[in-house]
Amino acid sequence: EAEVAQSPRYKITEKSQAVAFWCDPISGHATLYWYRQILGQGPELLVQFQDESVVDDSQLPKDRFSAERLKGVDSTLKIQPAELGDSAMYLCASSADRGTDTQYFGPGTRLTVL
Amino acid sequence: AQSVTQPDIHITVSEGASLELRCNYSYGATPYLFWYVQSPGQGLQLLLKYFSGDTLVQGIKGFEAEFKRSQSSFNLRKPSVHWSDAAEYFCAVVSGGGADGLTFGKGTHLIIQP
Repeated sequence: EAEVAQSPRYKITEKSQAVAFWCDPISGHATLYWYRQILGQGPELLVQFQDESVVDDSQLPKDRFSAERLKGVDSTLKIQPAELGDSAMYLCASSADRGTDTQYFGPGTRLTVL
Repeated sequence: AQSVTQPDIHITVSEGASLELRCNYSYGATPYLFWYVQSPGQGLQLLLKYFSGDTLVQGIKGFEAEFKRSQSSFNLRKPSVHWSDAAEYFCAVVSGGGADGLTFGKGTHLIIQP
């Protein structure tokens, strides 16, 4: 069964450093999402891509976060500089298309900022 | 703005007993509703979804949910729980407004007693 791949699974960094997370969606999925899940909370959407275009980045802290999906396939989420409050699970999801298509989630990257 | 409330942070159920997890939503239009399960170290897995039609929705692993518009609820049920059902359960609604990201509740942690 096809899955969403994410790496690394765990990342420990010091504040003010740069970090990057990678996501490879299910093959053929046009829509890709990045979510952030703080411990004890539900995931919150950071950014949504349709192919290589950003559909929604209204909740992305653009002063330090950036996301790209240059060829409309895999995607990278970057934080620079990292802050203590960025410690969370970063989840990637993909769906065949926009709208109500089921979103399939990857295992996530657990970020700890010291 | 849409929101999802899961009133119960923790629920403890004996193995073999029935289960009901509560979910209330706030959404102006016809909601698209989802239940996801998250096991430790795992990504989110879709249990079931409701878009329209029959208000009783069947999902995987023996779960079902009932949409009640009058109560703005979408409660998840299972007639007999197994120890493997212990996990975090999230109710979610599509954000809408042209974007398709999910708005999640804070989750309910299910504990199964032997």
